[in-house]
Order: sequence, then C-alpha cells, then structure tokens
Amino acid sequence: EVQLVQSGAEVKKPGESLKISCEGSGYSFTTYWIGWVRQMPGKGLEWMGIIYPGDSDTRYSPSFQGQVTISADRSISTAYLQWSSLKASDTAVYYCVRPRYSGSSNDALDIWGQGTMVSVSS
Amino acid sequence: EIVLTQSPGTLSLSPGERATLSCRASQSVSSSYLAWYQQKPGQAPRLLIYGASSRATGIPDRFSGSGSETDFTLTISRLEPEDSAVYFCQQYGSSPITFGQGTRLEIK
Repeated sequence: EVQLVQSGAEVKKPGESLKISCEGSGYSFTTYWIGWVRQMPGKGLEWMGIIYPGDSDTRYSPSFQGQVTISADRSISTAYLQWSSLKASDTAVYYCVRPRYSGSSNDALDIWGQGTMVSVSS
Repeated sequence: EIVLTQSPGTLSLSPGERATLSCRASQSVSSSYLAWYQQKPGQAPRLLIYGASSRATGIPDRFSGSGSETDFTLTISRLEPEDSAVYFCQQYGSSPITFGQGTRLEIK
C-alpha cells in the first residue's frame, strides 16, 4: 500500500525551531516529488513547496520562500519541513502530499499524509 | 499566480438531489490541469477529479467534472449523506500550484 506517514502533533513556543517528518512507503521514494500543504484552523489549503528526493531539487511557493525549509533523506524515505523560528501564525495542520505521476512536480495530489498539527503559543 | 474562486460558499441540499459546484480561474488553466478534492472534518483531503474530468481511483461515477480554460464545475448527482464535506479545486498547470477557498456542502 502506498502511504505517507507523518510525525505527531507538536506544541511549541514562538521563537522555537521545529522539524516535522513524512515517511513514504509502498513506492519508489526517489522518483516521486513530495510536497507540503498548509491548512490554518478553519481555513483552506495553501501550497508551500515541493522536493524531488532523487536529487533534492526544491521549489518553494513565493509565499513560503525563506519562511520554511524543505528537505529529504532518501536513505530513510523521509521528507521534512522545518522552521528556524516559529510564530503564532504558523499554527496549522501541515500535510505532505505526493503527485499522481512519477517525476511530475505540478500534478494532482493523490496521496496525502494524515497531517501534523503544529500549535505555537506562548 | 492563478487565483481560483469557488462558489457558492455553502450549499445545502437534500439526499438524492444534484449539487453543482463552480471554480473560476483568474486566467486560463493550462491543459485543463484542474483537480477537485473532498475533505471531511478531521481528515486529509481526498482526490476526486484530475484533468478537469477524469475520476480518481475508487471515486463513484456520481462525481463528475467538466469545464475548460477559466470555468470548471464539479457535479455530484444523487447526493448521499456521506457527501457532506468541503470541496476544493486546485490548478496545477502553472507554478505555484493554487487552491480555491472551498465550498461547504451540507446534506439536510
């Protein structure tokens, strides 16, 4: 079964750093892009960026460039989303996603992780 | 970037009726690279439609997509109580990928 399994919920204070993970299984991890989507409480979906684990080519949405870092460790089939200094406005559910087609960075998203809730509050 | 505007914001219908959800793009969506997703409370979104009109694996034929360029529609025929959810459109023809703000469908 193809699946993406994300790390658990996090509760952090403003200014702290954080790295959440997304492990892929059931497919060739290095040949599919992995993206990240933000959903703030009660709001819609926002595209953050995407990485190709095969060569670490990374593309950010302009809204998130410089705000987060996307990375991947292909040896353990895991992608990451990290913050160096969290803000209260980073409170959201974060989903990792896989596009439908191997090698395609712009595609419909047919595999979703279960989501990681990040809460940032003083 | 392409802005997607969905309407209506909320739709309230009865079981057995037909739902028509709209997604309008601020500029033409390349190659009809338009997808629809269903999201139920507490769950991740699920892909319903890709390429404007192709159903994803396991999606019942009550769900259909149509449209091109800047105007797209998701139609759900013969509504069932389990169709109650928020529906999002997404364009992936231009970078960055963008989503509509969602339509909430309530089944009376």
